[in-house]
Amino acid sequence: DTGVSQNPRHKITKRGQNVTFRCDPISEHNRLYWYRQTLGQGPEFLTYFQNEAQLEKSRLLSDRFSAERPKGSFSTLEIQRTEQGDSAMYLCASSYPGTGDNEQFFGPGTRLTVL
Amino acid sequence: SQKIEQNSEALNIQEGKTATLTCNYTNYSPAYLQWYRQDPGRGPVFLLLIRENEKEKRKERLKVTFDTTLKQSLFHITASQPADSATYLCALGTGGFKTIFGAGTRLFVKA
Repeated sequence: DTGVSQNPRHKITKRGQNVTFRCDPISEHNRLYWYRQTLGQGPEFLTYFQNEAQLEKSRLLSDRFSAERPKGSFSTLEIQRTEQGDSAMYLCASSYPGTGDNEQFFGPGTRLTVL
Repeated sequence: SQKIEQNSEALNIQEGKTATLTCNYTNYSPAYLQWYRQDPGRGPVFLLLIRENEKEKRKERLKVTFDTTLKQSLFHITASQPADSATYLCALGTGGFKTIFGAGTRLFVKA
């Protein structure tokens, strides 16, 4: 399968713990996005990478959230000191500028539950 | 304030009919607008893109219109099938890196 993969698919943690999610984009895609989605809402933009450079980060994102994309390949999203409000589906997407439609390919998501 | 609005109520239609979904936006000047399909527990899947200088685009049973004066896009599925049942998301591209998604509209197609 050459699509976007995310791990883990599900994560249950206790409030105050740190969690880290991984996203492996489609290999030739140099653009990578992280989104958060809660029930009944659309994906909410969190951050964007072009290769290894983080070019934009949502103002809604607190300092507890950090993302990296070393070497411009896979990416990690870390949430420190998790809160119950962080419970959501975290989606990763990748795209390639050569596609004229700016189509984003999404992974299956990581569902986070904070108890 | 900036808003993207999609029908919050689910749309129920009979198989074979045309489904029409609406996306309205305020205080955005999108360079393009995209439509995605999302099934429960899965990531969105890209369907179509329409640019600001295009009025209409078609792909198989799908048709999208874009009216930048009304600040509205309509998404049509003709000859709908039960397999078309899903949530449909509109997303605005403002020309930068960010894509802003609406909350989506759930479509149910009854056999």
